[in-house]
Amino acid sequence: EPEVTQTPSHQVTQMGQEVILRCVPISNHLYFYWYRQILGQKVEFLVSFYNNEISEKSEIFDDQFSVERPDGSNFTLKIRSTKLEDSAMYFCASSGSNRDQPQHFGDGTRLSIL
Amino acid sequence: GESVGLHLPTLSVQEGDNSIINCAYSNSASDYFIWYKQESGKGPQFIIDIRSNMDKRQGQRVTVLLNKTVKHLSLQIAATQPGDSAVYFCAEFSRGSNYKLTFGKGTLLTVNP
Repeated sequence: EPEVTQTPSHQVTQMGQEVILRCVPISNHLYFYWYRQILGQKVEFLVSFYNNEISEKSEIFDDQFSVERPDGSNFTLKIRSTKLEDSAMYFCASSGSNRDQPQHFGDGTRLSIL
Repeated sequence: GESVGLHLPTLSVQEGDNSIINCAYSNSASDYFIWYKQESGKGPQFIIDIRSNMDKRQGQRVTVLLNKTVKHLSLQIAATQPGDSAVYFCAEFSRGSNYKLTFGKGTLLTVNP
């Protein structure tokens, strides 16, 4: 069964540094998403991406964050000048359609900011 | 405001019993709901979905029931197995968004052998 893959599984970064989280969505999917989950809390929506542009973003997704699809297979989340409160699990998801099909998630990247 | 929440944060059942996990939502504009299972160290795994024009949907060993009148969603797992132990989330799409899933807090299901 096709799946979303994320790398790295764990990223440790010094506060103030930039970090790039990588995702390979399911190959025939067109819609891509990033979510995050702070330890013990709900999964929270960050951003959705379709046709090479952001289609929706949450209030969490401020100027510190950016997304990119640099080639035909990867989807990345960049966090500039990381803060302690950015420590969380970051999940990538993809779907074949925006709201007619479920979103399928990767196993996440655990981001630890020191 | 919109919110998706769960009645019970933990549920413990015996292997072979049926499990029922509940979810309340407050956004009456929500029209598509998904149940996800999350095992330790993994991402949310799709279990089953239901649209607001349906009351019930069945999958393999799982059934989702939707009661729009009281804005309640439930996930029934038949003959629960130890491998079903996980956190279960309900998530919703509201008509105000075409892309954003709003997740509930999660219920931890523990299956005792």
